[in-house]
Parts: sequence; structure tokens; C-alpha cells
Amino acid sequence: GAVVSQHPSRVICKSGTSVKIECRSLDFQATTMFWYRQFPKQSLMLMATSNEGSKATYEQGVEKDKFLINHASLTLSTLTVTSAHPEDSSFYICSAIVAGGRDEQFFGPGTRLTVL
Amino acid sequence: SQQGEEDPQALSIQEGENATMNCSYKTSINNLQWYRQNSGRGLVHLILIRSNEREKHSGRLRVTLDTSKKSSSLLITASRAADTASYFCATGQGAQKLVFGQGTRLTINP
Repeated sequence: GAVVSQHPSRVICKSGTSVKIECRSLDFQATTMFWYRQFPKQSLMLMATSNEGSKATYEQGVEKDKFLINHASLTLSTLTVTSAHPEDSSFYICSAIVAGGRDEQFFGPGTRLTVL
Repeated sequence: SQQGEEDPQALSIQEGENATMNCSYKTSINNLQWYRQNSGRGLVHLILIRSNEREKHSGRLRVTLDTSKKSSSLLITASRAADTASYFCATGQGAQKLVFGQGTRLTINP
């Protein structure tokens, strides 16, 4: 149980386009999901906390107008990278907490974004 | 912002040996968690230790937590080639937020 999926697993896009990444909890409901970014050989940096039915909470230094987060249901959160640029190329990982559960976060497999 | 610092940054040992990784943090925590990440993949949760616990075991894993020193260690005993991965500690903050350390790249040589 507690499986989180992400789609797509890899995406290559041209500079200036927007890319949407989906994060789904497959066998549980998640009131809270998190979005992280990881550059090569570095750690995960929390970008934002996504709460179902409300606006996301962004970490300091993360542009909310560039990284649009929507958490419209208890099993789906989306991250849209708007007007992507090469410096946005990274590994984006989401995680989810079981609704009513404790502290364990279940992580998705990640999405590799390459902006040309 | 990153809170955890891990050492060593990289560790290479022979199969069968024990591997110890350390994590230090700066602020108060609710819990500390250890994760494994294989190259280019997602994270796998290994173990969670709460702030009122001092030691926890799970199979070949042993985690200690010293809140007075704001540090934790992860010990993997009898290492295997399949243990090769990056290992991250993450401190649980309020509102279930996790702050990750820089990670230790572990290589187990057959």
C-alpha cells in the first residue's frame, strides 16, 4: 500500500513552454502533498506544500507564479512549470501523507525535466 | 533551507562490512527519518525515530538519535552490493514538513 505515482517520468521541452507534472496517490487519500526539486548530486529542496482544496504554501525563494500547484482532489496534485527555462531542468519529486495518518511521507518516483 | 548536514559525503566499503552515516541538525525536531535513493529514482523510507526515542532497529538497520547533540546515525550492518545508494536524513518539522540533509553516497564494493 501507500504508492505514489508521477507522470510523466521524463519530459523534454523547449524553453518558454509550460510543463505539467502529476502526482497521484494510488491507494490512499492524501490531504497533504509536497513538491521537491533535486539538482544532480544534491539533496531534495522543498518547494511547496500542497493542501487539498486550498492554496499551496511555498517555501522562501520559490516563485508561486512560476510553479503553479493545484491539489484539486484527495489523490491528485499537479505542478506546472510555466515558461520553463534551462535552469528549471531538474528532478522533481512529490510526496504524500496519508489522510489521518502520522508523519511518514510516501515519495513518488520523480520526474526528470530537461528544458532545451 | 537545508538543515541537516551529513557525513561522510561519500563512503566506499567492502561487501560485508558495516556502514555508518551521521547526520546533524540545528533546530528542534518532532522526528528524524532516513531515506534511501537509488540513482535517478525516488526515495524509499527506511526508518523514523521520534524525538523521545534514542535508538531504533529495522532488520540490518540501526538508527540512533541524540537530541542533546542534535545528531543521528544510521548503521547498516553486513552490507550488500544492493545497499549502494544515496542515504538522506530528514528532520520532521511542524506541519509535517521534512528538511533533508545533503546525503551520503554509499558504495558497496563486491
